[in-house]
Amino acid sequence: KAGVTQTPRYLIKTRGQQVTLSCSPISGHRSVSWYQQTPGQGLQFLFEYFSETQRNKGNFPGRFSGRQFSNSRSEMNVSTLELGDSALYLCASSLDASGYTFGSGTRLTVV
Amino acid sequence: AQSVTQPDIHITVSEGASLELRCNYSYGATPYLFWYVQSPGQGLQLLLKYFSGDTLVQGIKGFEAEFKRSQSSFNLRKPSVHWSDAAEYFCAVATQAAGNKLTFGGGTRVLVKP
Repeated sequence: KAGVTQTPRYLIKTRGQQVTLSCSPISGHRSVSWYQQTPGQGLQFLFEYFSETQRNKGNFPGRFSGRQFSNSRSEMNVSTLELGDSALYLCASSLDASGYTFGSGTRLTVV
Repeated sequence: AQSVTQPDIHITVSEGASLELRCNYSYGATPYLFWYVQSPGQGLQLLLKYFSGDTLVQGIKGFEAEFKRSQSSFNLRKPSVHWSDAAEYFCAVATQAAGNKLTFGGGTRVLVKP
């Protein structure tokens, strides 16, 4: 079966702009969670969506937001980009807490 | 607070030698435990996971991990390392109570010498 698909793979944006990243989960998985990976902070949980509802949220500013559609695909949006938002953004698809499949990530560079 | 610690930031091992990566967690109850591997610029690949039962878990690529409740540890091992095992390894935990949220350790980067 198809894995988790994240688009785009690479993105370069300018400070102050906004960006939208997309994640398509494994078919049948209704939970999508997002993580930010940076050299300094490691892997940090952003938020999780389940059946179109945000169920869990990490400790990130309100500039980071997300949503999930009825087909379980999810998007995350970052507004007013800062240099520190440069990171690898990973999404994970799961049925429950017992298993997570990750996508290849979107590499965001803010200049 | 819940936390996951990987004490070793870097480990260098010779090809063919054994490897052990340490992971300690701090949680109120036994969580779900995972080991993931990440090659440069790539996503995370699941090596193995533990929920309950036999405390020695077998995974892919010849890896195994042992859960020790008394030590709150979940160490990853491989008897004989291959050059392709050079990567970064992450220990992670999740609990049903916390919802579908993984908490990761800081990672251990493994270098393999020929």
